[in-house]
Amino acid sequence: KNQVEQSPQSLIILEGKNCTLQCNYTVSPFSNLRWYKQDTGRGPVSLTIMTFSENTKSNGRYTATLDADTKQSSLHITASQLSDSASYICVVILQTGANNLFFGTGTRLTVIP
Amino acid sequence: GAVVSQHPSRVICKSGTSVKIECRSLDFQATTMFWYRQFPKQSLMLMATSNEGSKATYEQGVEKDKFLINHASLTLSTLTVTSAHPEDSSFYICSARGLVGEQFFGPGTRLTVL
Repeated sequence: KNQVEQSPQSLIILEGKNCTLQCNYTVSPFSNLRWYKQDTGRGPVSLTIMTFSENTKSNGRYTATLDADTKQSSLHITASQLSDSASYICVVILQTGANNLFFGTGTRLTVIP
Repeated sequence: GAVVSQHPSRVICKSGTSVKIECRSLDFQATTMFWYRQFPKQSLMLMATSNEGSKATYEQGVEKDKFLINHASLTLSTLTVTSAHPEDSSFYICSARGLVGEQFFGPGTRLTVL
């Protein structure tokens, strides 16, 4: 069964601290994995996209890693800011199919001053 | 990056009325558009997939007669919630996929049915 699981479900950190969010998946055949940031009441916005052969990709203070062998990904946020408070969703994309996106349940991050 | 817009951003309606939500791809042609529903603290749930000029494909459990989808052009898809009830209150998000396969999400529409 194709599944995407994220942990933790929610996280509270102090402003300026780092944090790491986890994503495990069983989706196959794998095409690519994406991390999205979703602010409350807004649509998801893409942070990173990684294909099978990529191990790490950065976008500013966001760094995503991918281990295609163990089917795990992480999103590391450095020097968190209050504006980082949002839900972070891991999405795994299949190689085929009209509807080929599998969504994780998300991690709700709250950054406090 | 490509932009997808939704209108309205939020709507409040009375029970029994119908509500139409528009999804537009602003700078690319979307061969496929997707409609999602998201309840509080939950992830996006796919409702239906629509291809331009053809009937939408609905996910299991989604009533096609209640959630009418029209994808009349390569830049516009509409979702009409017919005879809305309070349990239809949710956050509706569309996404559009172009020829190169990249999928972009709209900003969402908050529907509240009184």
